[in-house]
Amino acid sequence: DAKTTQPNSMESNEEEPVHLPCNHSTISGTDYIHWYRQLPSQGPEYVIHGLTSNVNNRMASLAIAEDRKSSTLILHRATLRDAAVYYCILSGTDSNYQLIWGAGTKLIIKP
Amino acid sequence: EAQVTQNPRYLITVTGKKLTVTCSQNMNHEYMSWYRQDPGLGLRQIYYSMNVEVTDKGDVPEGYKVSRKEKRNFPLILESPSPNQTSLYFCASSFLPQGQPQHFGDGTRLSIL
Repeated sequence: DAKTTQPNSMESNEEEPVHLPCNHSTISGTDYIHWYRQLPSQGPEYVIHGLTSNVNNRMASLAIAEDRKSSTLILHRATLRDAAVYYCILSGTDSNYQLIWGAGTKLIIKP
Repeated sequence: EAQVTQNPRYLITVTGKKLTVTCSQNMNHEYMSWYRQDPGLGLRQIYYSMNVEVTDKGDVPEGYKVSRKEKRNFPLILESPSPNQTSLYFCASSFLPQGQPQHFGDGTRLSIL
């Protein structure tokens, strides 16, 4: 199964942009890149996903490298409510499109 | 409101006493899945279902059963619970797993004594 590598934790200041990196050097052509987050004591929450092109939605932007071996989740203006564990996940034909979860990045927002 | 509902939210029980955790979604999703989350191990998939009467094993299916008789419901059954099944459980659903966002329930915390 394709794997992802993320930093264990990151800190950022409130109201500043946050760039969360993810490496997925073994990604295959059919793998989608998903980002979810999990706030304390809650279930995971969908953030964004993409296949090849950069994606934007109301929560975040997803920048995918041209070779697709890495991606970056961008929170344009972090708030305290964005403090969570962020998971970068691949899904594709190898895993029958199931999400294979890693440890994620714990994002700490400083006021 | 679109949601995935799990019950119960918390349960303390004893080894060997059969229990069922229910999961229901109101979004007409074909795909449903169960995960367990343990400290240091992240989320691991137990079972998933692509549609009614179609279920498949995930990464950690031992000790669990599921059924999908109706599209909206996907119960998780522990026939003979053991302490190593003490965990936080999440149900999720989506239209199809390929490139579609999954919606998660609020979780069920099970303690097996």
